[in-house]
Amino acid sequence: QKEVEQNSGPLSVPEGAIASLNCTYSDRGSQSFFWYRQYSGKSPELIMFIYSNGDKEDGRFTAQLNKASQYVSLLIRDSQPSDSATYLCAVNGYSTLTFGKGTMLLVSP
Amino acid sequence: DAMVIQNPRYQVTQFGKPVTLSCSQTLNHNVMYWYQQKSSQAPKLLFHYYDKDFNNEADTPDNFQSRRPNTSFCFLDIRSPGLGDAAMYLCATSRAGRLQLYEQYFGPGTRLTVT
Repeated sequence: QKEVEQNSGPLSVPEGAIASLNCTYSDRGSQSFFWYRQYSGKSPELIMFIYSNGDKEDGRFTAQLNKASQYVSLLIRDSQPSDSATYLCAVNGYSTLTFGKGTMLLVSP
Repeated sequence: DAMVIQNPRYQVTQFGKPVTLSCSQTLNHNVMYWYQQKSSQAPKLLFHYYDKDFNNEADTPDNFQSRRPNTSFCFLDIRSPGLGDAAMYLCATSRAGRLQLYEQYFGPGTRLTVT
């Protein structure tokens, strides 16, 4: 049974700070890793994906992957109140994704 | 540009009255998924089509069925909705190769209410 673990939070950070969201996974064979943002009552929105070890940056977002330790993280720099949402980590299977339960992020003005 | 479209956005049905939710995509992705998501929970995969091949999750109730008449469209049929089936239903699509699954994109969802 593939598992993806996330701290449910909420993770509270002040506006302008760096938010760090973490995710661990159980299947060493996983190759693709995704971060989705989900606002309350809305559908998940893909914000980052990463396939290789190391860092991948896109604007204020940085995804970090460490396959040896089986964790993937998402850093959000200069956090804004509009970043307040639930962040879902997802890891690939053969043709499906396994989702974590998500971490709620609260950014206070 | 809408890429994954779901209709209707909100659906109210009566207990036991069949309902069909639809999903269409303009991405030409070969994989389409149906998820059920309840409040404060992760999306739960119900089933997916890999090309024309239907893949049912082991714990998906028989009450849920799906059809994919062509690459662009996929339907979720709930034959006899119960109160516990009230949820957000999410359609998603992806491009998948033999060795890699690419990004999965979600539609806006259909909020189902059962009265």
